[in-house]
Amino acid sequence: DTGVSQDPRHKITKRGQNVTFRCDPISEHNRLYWYRQTLGQGPEFLTYFQNEAQLEKSRLLSDRFSAERPKGSFSTLEIQRTEQGDSAMYLCASSLSGQLYEQYFGPGTRLTVT
Amino acid sequence: GQQVMQIPQYQHVQEGEDFTTYCNSSTTLSNIQWYKQRPGGHPVFLIQLVKSGEVKKQKRLTFQFGEAKKNSSLHITATQTTDVGTYFCAVDSGGSNYKLTFGKGTLLTVNP
Repeated sequence: DTGVSQDPRHKITKRGQNVTFRCDPISEHNRLYWYRQTLGQGPEFLTYFQNEAQLEKSRLLSDRFSAERPKGSFSTLEIQRTEQGDSAMYLCASSLSGQLYEQYFGPGTRLTVT
Repeated sequence: GQQVMQIPQYQHVQEGEDFTTYCNSSTTLSNIQWYKQRPGGHPVFLIQLVKSGEVKKQKRLTFQFGEAKKNSSLHITATQTTDVGTYFCAVDSGGSNYKLTFGKGTLLTVNP
C-alpha cells in the first residue's frame, strides 16, 4: 500500500497521560500536515512540515502538543497531559510541494480521553 | 484567517435526485479544492478549481468556481447510494500555498 498510513488507528487514554501518534506519508511527498477533526466539523489545520522543517504551527496547538519529522519522512504527534477536550480524530496528510497540490489523507487516529 | 461558509449542512435525497452544495467566501479566493469523506473514512481529494468561472466535470459531478472567485458549487446529477458522505470545500488560507481551511461540510444521505 503506497498511501498515507497512521498508527495507531484508535487510542483510549486516561486524562493526564501522554500519547504519541505516528504518520508515514507517501514516500515522494515532502510536505506533511496534521489536522484535527471533531464530529460535524471539517479538518482543522494543526501544523505543517516541509521536509524535516516545521514551518507553521496553529494557535490551536497548545504547548502540550509537539510534532516532529526528524528525517523528513515519518512524523510523530505527541500530546502531553491529555485532556478530555483533546478527544478527536487526528488526521495526517501529505502532498507534493511547489504550489497548492491535493492533499492525501491517512485513515486517522481516533483519540478518546476518559 | 480565511473563512468559508458551506451550505446546506445536511441534505437527504431520494436516489436519482440531484444534489448541490455551495461554498461561499467574503474574500476573493486564489483557488478552491473539494474533498469527499465517506462515513467512518478520511477526506479524499476530488478536484481543484483555479480559474474564474471554471467548470469541471467528473462523470455525474460538476464543479463550478464563481466569476468573482468568491463562491463555488458541487452538483451531483442523479445521485446514487455510493454518493453518501460529507462533501467539504477547502481553501488556501491567506495564499500560503500549503495551508487549507476547510468548510464544515455538507452531509449527503441517499435513500435507495
